[in-house]
Amino acid sequence: QAQLVQSGSELKKPGASVKVSCKASGYNIVNNAIHWVRQAPGQGLEWMGWINTNTGNPTYAQGFTGRFVFSLDTSVSTAYLQISSLTAEDTALYYCARAAGGTYYLDYWGQGTLATVSS
Amino acid sequence: DIVMTQSPDSLAVSLGERATINCKSSQSVLYSSNNKNYLAWYQQKPGQPPKLLIYWASTRASGVPDRFSGSGSGTDFTLTISSLQAEDVAVYYCHQHYSDPRTFGQGTKVEMK
Repeated sequence: QAQLVQSGSELKKPGASVKVSCKASGYNIVNNAIHWVRQAPGQGLEWMGWINTNTGNPTYAQGFTGRFVFSLDTSVSTAYLQISSLTAEDTALYYCARAAGGTYYLDYWGQGTLATVSS
Repeated sequence: DIVMTQSPDSLAVSLGERATINCKSSQSVLYSSNNKNYLAWYQQKPGQPPKLLIYWASTRASGVPDRFSGSGSGTDFTLTISSLQAEDVAVYYCHQHYSDPRTFGQGTKVEMK
């Protein structure tokens, strides 16, 4: 049974950086892309982009370029999301999710990581 | 970008009654080479991550009760809950994985009347 376990909640000050981890188990991480989805408080799901876990190549949605970086460490079956120069608008739940069949619909989701940006 | 528009934004349904949610994409998500609609539905309950309900527009994910069904093709899709149960109170999202950016609908909140 595939499982994605994310790192715990983060409280950061404006201007700081945060790195969220997403550890995959129960399958080989290189076989399925990892997608990242943001959910602002009380809002819907917003697709941020994905990382090809075979090549390490990331793809970012518009609005998630520059300050957002997707990375991967296949030796520990973990994907990462790093956000720099945090502002209050980055306060949200961040989910990682596995793409079925390598690159299709999202069949397994992490539990979410709440990042709060506050002075 | 493909825009996904759900309707209604919310609906209240009595226990045991039918709930219908519509999702319209701004362009077709039907991939002609394999005749598959790259459209999925997710259910999100409060405090939980989204859960896959339906993929390829009409295939139920493992363990999903058969009161949930998906239909449609091309640009118009429907999620139907045939007999609403208390545990179905949630927000439902459609999602296209046909092309990047892989957009979600805005969500439909289903409540008990």
